[in-house]
Amino acid sequence: GAVVSQHPSWVICKSGTSVKIECRSLDFQATTMFWYRQFPKQSLMLMATSNEGSKATYEQGVEKDKFLINHASLTLSTLTVTSAHPEDSSFYICSANGFVGRADTQYFGPGTRLTVL
Amino acid sequence: GENVEQHPSTLSVQEGDSAVIKCTYSDSASNYFPWYKQELGKRPQLIIDIRSNVGEKKDQRIAVTLNKTAKHFSLHITETQPEDSAVYFCAASIGGSYIPTFGRGTSLIVHP
Repeated sequence: GAVVSQHPSWVICKSGTSVKIECRSLDFQATTMFWYRQFPKQSLMLMATSNEGSKATYEQGVEKDKFLINHASLTLSTLTVTSAHPEDSSFYICSANGFVGRADTQYFGPGTRLTVL
Repeated sequence: GENVEQHPSTLSVQEGDSAVIKCTYSDSASNYFPWYKQELGKRPQLIIDIRSNVGEKKDQRIAVTLNKTAKHFSLHITETQPEDSAVYFCAASIGGSYIPTFGRGTSLIVHP
């Protein structure tokens, strides 16, 4: 149980385009989903916390107009990188927690490798 | 906010040896401490966790210890195997917030 999927697993796009990444909890309802960014050989950097039906809470320094987050249901959150630039290239990982096992355990998606040309 | 320090950043051991990774945290209100293993290009996987009402927890070759007074916790891997090679992250969170603060990670290399 507690499987989180992410789509796409990788994407290459041109500078200036927008990219949408989906995060789904497959076998449980996620009360909260989190979006992280990870640079090579670095730790997970929390970008925002997403609660179903409400606006996401962004971490300091993360541009909310650039990284649009929508959490329309208890099983789906999306991250849209708008007007992507090469510096947005990174590994984006979502996670979800809910009431599978213990509520404070996070289950991670497989990540999305974004490359902006 | 919470600050989690993790050491060492890189750890190289011979197969069969033990490996220890240490973390410290700053917020005494933190009460949940998970450890994640991340292989290259893959998702972090929870391998063990401990809560502040427990001092030690063991799962086969993996154990975690917690010292609340000193605000530090450690991951112990015994009889290491090459497949243990990965990046390990510690984290700390306050119950109710469910938002962990991650350490910077330790790259464990187990040489056959």
